[in-house]
Amino acid sequence: DTGVSQNPRHKITKRGQNVTFRCDPISEHNRLYWYRQTLGQGPEFLTYFQNEAQLEKSRLLSDRFSAERPKGSFSTLEIQRTEQGDSAMYLCASEDTEAFFGQGTRLTVV
Amino acid sequence: GENVEQHPSTLSVQEGDSAVIKCTYSDSASNYFPWYKQELGKGPQLIIDIRSNVGEKKDQRIAVTLNKTAKHFSLHITETQPEDSAVYFCAASISGYSTLTFGKGTMLLVSP
Repeated sequence: DTGVSQNPRHKITKRGQNVTFRCDPISEHNRLYWYRQTLGQGPEFLTYFQNEAQLEKSRLLSDRFSAERPKGSFSTLEIQRTEQGDSAMYLCASEDTEAFFGQGTRLTVV
Repeated sequence: GENVEQHPSTLSVQEGDSAVIKCTYSDSASNYFPWYKQELGKGPQLIIDIRSNVGEKKDQRIAVTLNKTAKHFSLHITETQPEDSAVYFCAASISGYSTLTFGKGTMLLVSP
């Protein structure tokens, strides 16, 4: 257990529905990252928060994706109007001098 | 941006043998190189990391070497055990400045 908690662990949704994932980082870590991982690939960066400020977003993050980190604590990642191509593992990492990952949320869009 | 290449994509060894996984990176400004182990259905677990001010770091059966001139770094696992079987990822970043860029992973299979 790295201390980074992600919920839910699995999510199956129908195409076109909205989904929201939650990440609770290690409490003293200011930096929080979201990554996406597809089968056979390494994690790909999506977005990054320093405290409550979203400092960087990848080109992978389309307009249907939005992330928040209110009060610099937990973070949420929302995907609107899901598409089959959104099926992946969504990973959250929190960082001080090293990045620790949660167990991920496996999203399946049917 | 940074590009990290990792080889081999799969590696099969017998229990007790050594395993070596190699990565190259493209951005000479990168100075932080972690390795992660990922088991099926789980998130990546940090197993060892190295920063550019050292050339080698060891932790029990695991060691990492870094050649900044050649922009190579490698993971060495000695006396492999079946529980070492997993996918291993290397990554690179500019510490405190850029996000981690990962390689595509190496599936290590250790046979008893």
